[in-house]
Amino acid sequence: DTEVTQTPKHLVMGMTNKKSLKCEQHMGHRAMYWYKQKAKKPPELMFVYSYEKLSINESVPSRFSPECPNSSLLNLHLHALQPEDSALYLCASSQGRWVTEAFFGQGTRLTVV
Amino acid sequence: KQEVTQIPAALSVPEGENLVLNCSFTDSAIYNLQWFRQDPGKGLTSLLLIQSSQREQTSGRLNASLDKSSGRSTLYIAASQPGDSATYLCAGHMEYGNKLVFGAGTILRVKS
Repeated sequence: DTEVTQTPKHLVMGMTNKKSLKCEQHMGHRAMYWYKQKAKKPPELMFVYSYEKLSINESVPSRFSPECPNSSLLNLHLHALQPEDSALYLCASSQGRWVTEAFFGQGTRLTVV
Repeated sequence: KQEVTQIPAALSVPEGENLVLNCSFTDSAIYNLQWFRQDPGKGLTSLLLIQSSQREQTSGRLNASLDKSSGRSTLYIAASQPGDSATYLCAGHMEYGNKLVFGAGTILRVKS
């Protein structure tokens, strides 16, 4: 099983709303990632968690807040977003440092109105 | 800063043709190289991972090579089918930290 599950698949939120994106994997992977992808562009790294600790934050605005409650779950909390934050948000996981084949979820299509 | 470039940006071929997608990177600090497929509006599907110590990987009709010294990787697709139509992305795993750097992708269309 190489499945990474993301919920919800689609999300529409207002600029004053608070929402969360969820990601789950049961492959025993210890590294989990959030990527943002705008239309017709490649994914861009936002955050990396390694062994449940935040290891990389690519200077992401504080209106995006990641959380890794355990080794199988990754959340992205959203607050006071802007319309330009509308994008496909992708979660990925890999076994860990150095053993790095990454597996991606199907993404959450976020629209900020 | 690591840059990954993919050529061509788009490719349209008749069914049955063999084709090559190219990926180049500027920094030999790339540890592994991974090829993905992305269908419109969907997530990324891993096709092949070439580890730093390998030069080549094969899966079915796909063959990927890696030459770190020249900063190049190629994805060879044999006997292309309309179902192969998608965007193909290569990504370098940076040697320090769990970080993927993506190329802009090649949009492939296989005509029946």
